[in-house]
Amino acid sequence: EPEVTQTPSHQVTQMGQEVILRCVPISNHLYFYWYRQILGQKVEFLVSFYNNEISEKSEIFDDQFSVERPDGSNFTLKIRSTKLEDSAMYFCASRAGTGTYEQYFGPGTRLTVT
Amino acid sequence: ELKVEQNPLFLSMQEEKNYTIYCNYSTTSDRLYWYRQDPGKSLESLFVLLSNGAVKQEGRLMASLDTKARLSTLHITAAVHDLSATYFCAAHLGSKLIFGQGTTLQVKP
Repeated sequence: EPEVTQTPSHQVTQMGQEVILRCVPISNHLYFYWYRQILGQKVEFLVSFYNNEISEKSEIFDDQFSVERPDGSNFTLKIRSTKLEDSAMYFCASRAGTGTYEQYFGPGTRLTVT
Repeated sequence: ELKVEQNPLFLSMQEEKNYTIYCNYSTTSDRLYWYRQDPGKSLESLFVLLSNGAVKQEGRLMASLDTKARLSTLHITAAVHDLSATYFCAAHLGSKLIFGQGTTLQVKP
């Protein structure tokens, strides 16, 4: 069964450093998302992406964040200058297309900012 | 602003008992999702509810949606230990999902 994959599974970085989290959505899916979950808390929406542009972003997704689909398979989330409060599990998700509703989540990348 | 609230947040129950998790959302939403999350793992899709009165069942879990009351329920029938996990509901708005706080279910033998 096709699945969303994410790398790395765990990333440790120092405050102020840039990180790139990578996702490979399910092939032929058209809608892509990033969510995050701070330990023990609920899942929070960050950004949605369709047709090579951002569809919607949350207040969390400020100028320090960016997303990109550099080729036909990868979908990346970049944090330019990490803060301690960026420590969280970051989930990528994808959805097939108009008229479909399932959002399939990847296994997540645990980001630890020290 | 759409808010999603679940209750209870923690549920300890014995095997073979029945219980219901409630999910209220504050504004109109066209679909409601239920996910399961095991500790340290990702979100596994359980149900997507699309219309008022929708009811879906999978094994010991049954989800329903009342759009007029802005309420969804996840009913657990004859709980077994394997169902121990955190369950999230999420309401759809625009292009995003707004999640509830999660209900951690612990099923004891």
